[in-house]
Amino acid sequence: AQSVTQLGSHVSVSEGALVLLRCNYSSSVPPYLFWYVQYPNQGLQLLLKYTSAATLVKGINGFEAEFKKSETSFHLTKPSAHMSDAAEYFCAVTRNSGNTPLVFGKGTRLSVIA
Amino acid sequence: EAGVAQSPRYKIIEKRQSVAFWCNPISGHATLYWYQQILGQGPKLLIQFQNNGVVDDSQLPKDRFSAERLKGVDSTLKIQPAKLEDSAVYLCASSAGPGVTKNIQYFGAGTRLSVL
Repeated sequence: AQSVTQLGSHVSVSEGALVLLRCNYSSSVPPYLFWYVQYPNQGLQLLLKYTSAATLVKGINGFEAEFKKSETSFHLTKPSAHMSDAAEYFCAVTRNSGNTPLVFGKGTRLSVIA
Repeated sequence: EAGVAQSPRYKIIEKRQSVAFWCNPISGHATLYWYQQILGQGPKLLIQFQNNGVVDDSQLPKDRFSAERLKGVDSTLKIQPAKLEDSAVYLCASSAGPGVTKNIQYFGAGTRLSVL
């Protein structure tokens, strides 16, 4: 079975500050890992994905995440927060055999303070 | 390229009524998913289709929920009769298929259901 734990249901940062959203996964098989962002009243948009190539993954809007097998983590970071980054962020895991459903964490709401 | 289309965007019904949601995936995508997202939680899979066949419906409450994808393209999810706890956003997603580059799920905007 696979699962994802996102630490912190709500994170608040100042504009220009570092963004760090935490995700730990559990998987009995090699995983694929994803970060999605959800803006109010919209669907989920893919930020970035880890699919067993490079452990440091760069995504859209300046976000990146590092896969750390020893820590079973896939934390999302951005050096400098923008007001437009305020949204809900979801970490998700699936099996690396492909074409399988995503298992999502509960999400972290990011607020950016001017 | 057009994205995943869902309708309606919003629906309000009373308990014990029936409701249907429609999804049109990205053209050429063989795999279609329906997820349920309850307020404050992450999406959870209801059902997965590969073309017009069901791959996984283990988490679908079959006593009230049904889904079909008759021609392997668009899909309909139905709830009959609805309960208060069915209030959620219903998300449809599609992917091109297995493989590193293909196994990316693209999501529609969702249908927000309120059951009163």
